[in-house]
Amino acid sequence: RKEVEQDPGPFNVPEGATVAFNCTYSNSASQSFFWYRQDCRKEPKLLMSVYSSGNEDGRFTAQLNRASQYISLLIRDSKLSDSATYLCVVTGGFKTIFGAGTRLFVKA
Amino acid sequence: SQTIHQWPATLVQPVGSPLSLECTVEGTSNPNLYWYRQAAGRGLQLLFYSVGIGQISSEVPQNLSASRPQDRQFILSSKKLLLSDSGFYLCAWSTPLGGNQPQHFGDGTRLSIL
Repeated sequence: RKEVEQDPGPFNVPEGATVAFNCTYSNSASQSFFWYRQDCRKEPKLLMSVYSSGNEDGRFTAQLNRASQYISLLIRDSKLSDSATYLCVVTGGFKTIFGAGTRLFVKA
Repeated sequence: SQTIHQWPATLVQPVGSPLSLECTVEGTSNPNLYWYRQAAGRGLQLLFYSVGIGQISSEVPQNLSASRPQDRQFILSSKKLLLSDSGFYLCAWSTPLGGNQPQHFGDGTRLSIL
Protein backbone atom coordinates (compact mmCIF):
# COMPACT_ATOMS: atom_id res chain seq x y z
CA ARG A 1 0.00 0.00 0.00
CA LYS A 2 1.32 3.45 -0.90
CA GLU A 3 1.95 5.84 1.98
CA VAL A 4 -0.22 8.50 0.35
CA GLU A 5 -2.81 7.57 -2.26
CA GLN A 6 -4.78 9.81 -4.57
CA ASP A 7 -7.14 9.16 -7.44
CA PRO A 8 -4.99 10.14 -10.46
CA GLY A 9 -8.00 11.35 -12.43
CA PRO A 10 -8.23 13.17 -14.68
CA PHE A 11 -11.31 14.97 -13.50
CA ASN A 12 -13.00 16.82 -16.36
CA VAL A 13 -15.54 19.35 -15.11
CA PRO A 14 -17.35 22.36 -16.59
CA GLU A 15 -16.80 25.86 -15.30
CA GLY A 16 -18.86 26.52 -12.19
CA ALA A 17 -18.89 22.91 -11.07
CA THR A 18 -17.97 21.68 -7.61
CA VAL A 19 -15.26 19.05 -7.53
CA ALA A 20 -13.84 17.02 -4.64
CA PHE A 21 -10.50 15.29 -4.34
CA ASN A 22 -9.74 12.58 -1.84
CA CYS A 23 -6.49 11.37 -0.35
CA THR A 24 -5.71 8.56 2.09
CA TYR A 25 -2.53 8.04 4.09
CA SER A 26 -1.17 4.97 5.82
CA ASN A 27 0.86 6.34 8.75
CA SER A 28 -1.42 7.05 11.68
CA ALA A 29 1.39 9.05 13.33
CA SER A 30 1.36 11.66 10.55
CA GLN A 31 1.22 15.17 11.95
CA SER A 32 0.73 17.79 9.27
CA PHE A 33 -1.23 17.83 6.06
CA PHE A 34 -1.22 20.09 3.02
CA TRP A 35 -2.64 20.50 -0.45
CA TYR A 36 -0.35 21.73 -3.23
CA ARG A 37 -1.14 22.75 -6.77
CA GLN A 38 1.18 22.01 -9.67
CA ASP A 39 0.69 23.54 -13.08
CA CYS A 40 2.05 21.75 -16.14
CA ARG A 41 5.86 21.85 -16.21
CA LYS A 42 5.99 24.09 -13.14
CA GLU A 43 6.94 23.65 -9.50
CA PRO A 44 4.37 22.63 -6.85
CA LYS A 45 2.94 25.54 -4.89
CA LEU A 46 1.36 25.39 -1.48
CA LEU A 47 -2.40 25.78 -1.79
CA MET A 48 -3.43 25.35 1.82
CA SER A 49 -2.76 23.56 5.07
CA VAL A 50 -5.33 21.08 6.35
CA TYR A 51 -6.53 21.24 9.94
CA SER A 52 -8.58 18.76 11.92
CA SER A 53 -11.38 21.26 12.32
CA GLY A 54 -11.53 21.82 8.57
CA ASN A 55 -10.54 25.08 6.93
CA GLU A 56 -11.68 27.24 4.06
CA ASP A 57 -9.88 29.66 1.78
CA GLY A 58 -12.28 31.31 -0.64
CA ARG A 59 -13.63 28.64 -2.97
CA PHE A 60 -11.41 25.95 -1.45
CA THR A 61 -12.29 23.82 1.58
CA ALA A 62 -9.97 21.24 3.12
CA GLN A 63 -10.98 18.54 5.58
CA LEU A 64 -9.05 16.02 7.64
CA ASN A 65 -10.40 12.85 9.22
CA ARG A 66 -7.68 11.38 11.42
CA ALA A 67 -9.72 8.34 12.42
CA SER A 68 -10.15 7.31 8.78
CA GLN A 69 -6.74 8.71 7.73
CA TYR A 70 -8.42 10.67 4.98
CA ILE A 71 -7.97 14.18 3.57
CA SER A 72 -10.19 15.98 1.13
CA LEU A 73 -10.16 19.16 -0.97
CA LEU A 74 -13.37 20.70 -2.26
CA ILE A 75 -13.32 23.33 -4.99
CA ARG A 76 -16.53 25.27 -5.52
CA ASP A 77 -17.44 27.30 -8.60
CA SER A 78 -14.53 25.93 -10.63
CA LYS A 79 -12.64 28.34 -12.86
CA LEU A 80 -10.63 27.61 -15.99
CA SER A 81 -7.56 28.69 -14.03
CA ASP A 82 -8.12 25.88 -11.52
CA SER A 83 -6.92 23.39 -14.13
CA ALA A 84 -3.81 21.81 -12.61
CA THR A 85 -2.61 18.76 -10.70
CA TYR A 86 -3.45 18.75 -6.99
CA LEU A 87 -1.00 17.05 -4.66
CA CYS A 88 -1.85 15.72 -1.22
CA VAL A 89 1.08 16.01 1.21
CA VAL A 90 1.53 14.31 4.58
CA THR A 91 4.35 14.89 7.05
CA GLY A 92 5.53 13.24 10.25
CA GLY A 93 8.84 14.00 11.91
CA PHE A 94 11.25 14.82 9.10
CA LYS A 95 9.43 12.68 6.59
CA THR A 96 7.26 14.37 3.99
CA ILE A 97 5.34 12.25 1.52
CA PHE A 98 3.82 13.72 -1.64
CA GLY A 99 0.94 11.98 -3.33
CA ALA A 100 1.24 11.42 -7.08
CA GLY A 101 -1.48 14.01 -7.66
CA THR A 102 -4.94 14.30 -9.17
CA ARG A 103 -5.30 16.07 -12.50
CA LEU A 104 -8.14 18.52 -12.95
CA PHE A 105 -9.33 19.96 -16.25
CA VAL A 106 -11.94 22.70 -16.08
CA LYS A 107 -13.64 23.36 -19.41
CA ALA A 108 -15.60 26.33 -20.65
CA SER B 1 10.13 37.56 2.65
CA GLN B 2 11.83 34.31 1.79
CA THR B 3 12.81 33.45 -1.76
CA ILE B 4 14.43 30.42 -3.34
CA HIS B 5 16.54 30.54 -6.48
CA GLN B 6 17.39 27.54 -8.58
CA TRP B 7 19.43 27.40 -11.76
CA PRO B 8 19.73 26.67 -14.56
CA ALA B 9 16.11 26.42 -15.67
CA THR B 10 16.91 24.03 -18.49
CA LEU B 11 19.93 21.82 -19.12
CA VAL B 12 20.83 19.38 -21.86
CA GLN B 13 23.77 17.12 -21.09
CA PRO B 14 25.38 14.11 -22.77
CA VAL B 15 25.52 10.74 -21.02
CA GLY B 16 28.62 10.44 -18.87
CA SER B 17 29.05 14.17 -18.33
CA PRO B 18 29.15 15.77 -14.85
CA LEU B 19 26.32 17.75 -13.30
CA SER B 20 26.05 20.62 -10.86
CA LEU B 21 22.72 22.20 -9.94
CA GLU B 22 22.63 25.01 -7.43
CA CYS B 23 19.94 26.29 -5.12
CA THR B 24 20.04 29.25 -2.75
CA VAL B 25 17.51 30.53 -0.25
CA GLU B 26 17.18 34.12 0.94
CA GLY B 27 15.36 35.68 3.86
CA THR B 28 15.65 32.84 6.37
CA SER B 29 18.34 31.22 8.49
CA ASN B 30 19.15 27.54 8.94
CA PRO B 31 16.38 26.30 6.62
CA ASN B 32 15.75 22.63 5.97
CA LEU B 33 16.69 22.03 2.34
CA TYR B 34 15.52 19.32 -0.08
CA TRP B 35 16.26 18.00 -3.56
CA TYR B 36 13.50 16.19 -5.45
CA ARG B 37 13.25 14.64 -8.88
CA GLN B 38 10.03 14.32 -10.84
CA ALA B 39 9.97 12.07 -13.89
CA ALA B 40 7.53 12.98 -16.66
CA GLY B 41 3.95 12.33 -15.51
CA ARG B 42 5.09 10.99 -12.15
CA GLY B 43 5.14 12.05 -8.51
CA LEU B 44 7.95 13.70 -6.57
CA GLN B 45 10.87 11.54 -5.46
CA LEU B 46 12.90 12.86 -2.53
CA LEU B 47 16.61 12.55 -3.28
CA PHE B 48 18.36 14.39 -0.43
CA TYR B 49 17.56 16.60 2.51
CA SER B 50 19.67 18.68 4.88
CA VAL B 51 18.96 20.21 8.28
CA GLY B 52 22.25 22.10 8.53
CA ILE B 53 25.60 22.98 6.97
CA GLY B 54 27.52 19.87 5.96
CA GLN B 55 24.66 17.54 6.93
CA ILE B 56 23.13 15.49 4.11
CA SER B 57 20.63 12.64 4.29
CA SER B 58 20.22 10.48 1.20
CA GLU B 59 16.87 8.89 0.50
CA VAL B 60 17.62 6.97 -2.66
CA PRO B 61 21.03 5.44 -3.50
CA GLN B 62 22.12 6.44 -6.99
CA ASN B 63 24.86 8.25 -8.84
CA LEU B 64 23.86 11.63 -7.47
CA SER B 65 25.28 13.44 -4.45
CA ALA B 66 24.41 16.61 -2.58
CA SER B 67 26.37 19.13 -0.58
CA ARG B 68 25.56 22.08 1.64
CA PRO B 69 28.66 24.26 1.80
CA GLN B 70 26.82 27.25 3.24
CA ASP B 71 23.72 27.70 5.36
CA ARG B 72 21.45 28.67 2.48
CA GLN B 73 23.16 26.91 -0.43
CA PHE B 74 22.35 23.39 -1.59
CA ILE B 75 24.10 21.73 -4.52
CA LEU B 76 23.16 18.58 -6.42
CA SER B 77 25.98 16.88 -8.31
CA SER B 78 26.88 13.89 -10.39
CA LYS B 79 30.24 12.75 -11.73
CA LYS B 80 28.72 10.80 -14.65
CA LEU B 81 25.14 11.24 -15.77
CA LEU B 82 22.98 8.34 -16.88
CA LEU B 83 20.02 8.44 -19.29
CA SER B 84 17.78 7.63 -16.33
CA ASP B 85 18.84 10.90 -14.65
CA SER B 86 16.58 12.88 -16.99
CA GLY B 87 13.78 14.65 -15.19
CA PHE B 88 12.57 17.76 -13.45
CA TYR B 89 14.77 18.59 -10.45
CA LEU B 90 13.26 20.68 -7.70
CA CYS B 91 14.90 22.31 -4.71
CA ALA B 92 12.73 23.16 -1.72
CA TRP B 93 13.10 24.72 1.72
CA SER B 94 11.14 24.69 4.94
CA THR B 95 11.53 26.49 8.25
CA PRO B 96 13.70 24.76 10.84
CA LEU B 97 10.75 24.22 13.20
CA GLY B 98 10.82 20.47 13.17
CA GLY B 99 9.82 18.45 10.12
CA ASN B 100 6.14 19.32 9.91
CA GLN B 101 6.29 22.62 8.08
CA PRO B 102 5.23 23.09 4.45
CA GLN B 103 7.95 23.09 1.84
CA HIS B 104 8.42 25.84 -0.72
CA PHE B 105 9.86 25.05 -4.11
CA GLY B 106 12.19 26.73 -6.54
CA ASP B 107 11.28 27.00 -10.21
CA GLY B 108 13.02 23.73 -10.99
CA THR B 109 15.61 22.56 -13.53
CA ARG B 110 14.49 20.51 -16.48
CA LEU B 111 17.37 18.11 -17.25
CA SER B 112 17.55 16.17 -20.49
CA ILE B 113 20.26 13.55 -21.01
CA LEU B 114 21.21 12.72 -24.57
